[in-house]
Amino acid sequence: GAGVSQTPSNKVTEKGKYVELRCDPISGHTALYWYRQSLGQGPEFLIYFQGTGAADDSGLPNDRFFAVRPEGSVSTLKIQRTERGDSAVYLCASSPSAGGLDTGELFFGEGSRLTVL
Amino acid sequence: AQSVAQPEDQVNVAEGNPLTVKCTYSVSGNPYLFWYVQYPNRGLQFLLKYITGDNLVKGSYGFEAEFNKSQTSFHLKKPSALVSDSALYFCAVRDMNNNAGNMLTFGGGTRLMVKP
Repeated sequence: GAGVSQTPSNKVTEKGKYVELRCDPISGHTALYWYRQSLGQGPEFLIYFQGTGAADDSGLPNDRFFAVRPEGSVSTLKIQRTERGDSAVYLCASSPSAGGLDTGELFFGEGSRLTVL
Repeated sequence: AQSVAQPEDQVNVAEGNPLTVKCTYSVSGNPYLFWYVQYPNRGLQFLLKYITGDNLVKGSYGFEAEFNKSQTSFHLKKPSALVSDSALYFCAVRDMNNNAGNMLTFGGGTRLMVKP
C-alpha cells in the first residue's frame, strides 16, 4: 500500500483479555518500529525489527508484551492479560533501512487505539 | 541515553503572527533531529529534519527549524501562522552512535493553537 496500515483502528477489551494489533508497513521497508503513545504524552519506543528479527526490544514494558514479524513484512504486537494501564494508542512506523548512513525519517501509521476496561 | 524536552505544553499565537515551538535535546554523540506534527486521530507526519550542514533547515508547510549546537536546541519556527497549523508538534532525536537503527526518542509534545 501507499502508507503504513494499522488494524484495528480501535479496540476495546476487558481487563485480562488477549489482544493482537497488526501493522502492514510500506512495501520494501526493512525496518519496522512499534511505539506507544499515552494520552498527553509523546510516543515511547517499544520494539524495532530489522527484517524478521527483533533488533531491539528494550522498550517492551514487561513480558506480557510480545511482537513478531515472521516474513519481514507484516508485524503483530501481542498483549497478554491486558491491564487498564495498557490503554494507549499503539503506533507503528517503518523506514527503508536502518542505521548506517540512512538518516531518513520514520513513516507512521495512524495507530491502533486500545482501551482496556 | 538520549532525551528530548519540549518545555511548553501549549503555544498560543494569532493567525499571521510568527510562531516558535521550543525543543532541547541531549545525546552522547552527534544528533539527528526531527519535527513531526500530529493532527487529531491521525498518525505522526514528518515536517523536517537536521542531519548536517546548514543550521537552518526548511520543511513542509512553510515550517523551518534552527539547530543550535551550543544551546542543544532545535526550535521550530514559522514566519506567519495559519489556523490550519493548529496541531500537536513533536520534536525527536536520534543519536548517531545508537545502534537501534533509526530509533527516535520523542519529546512530550507541544500543542499549537492558532487563533483567527
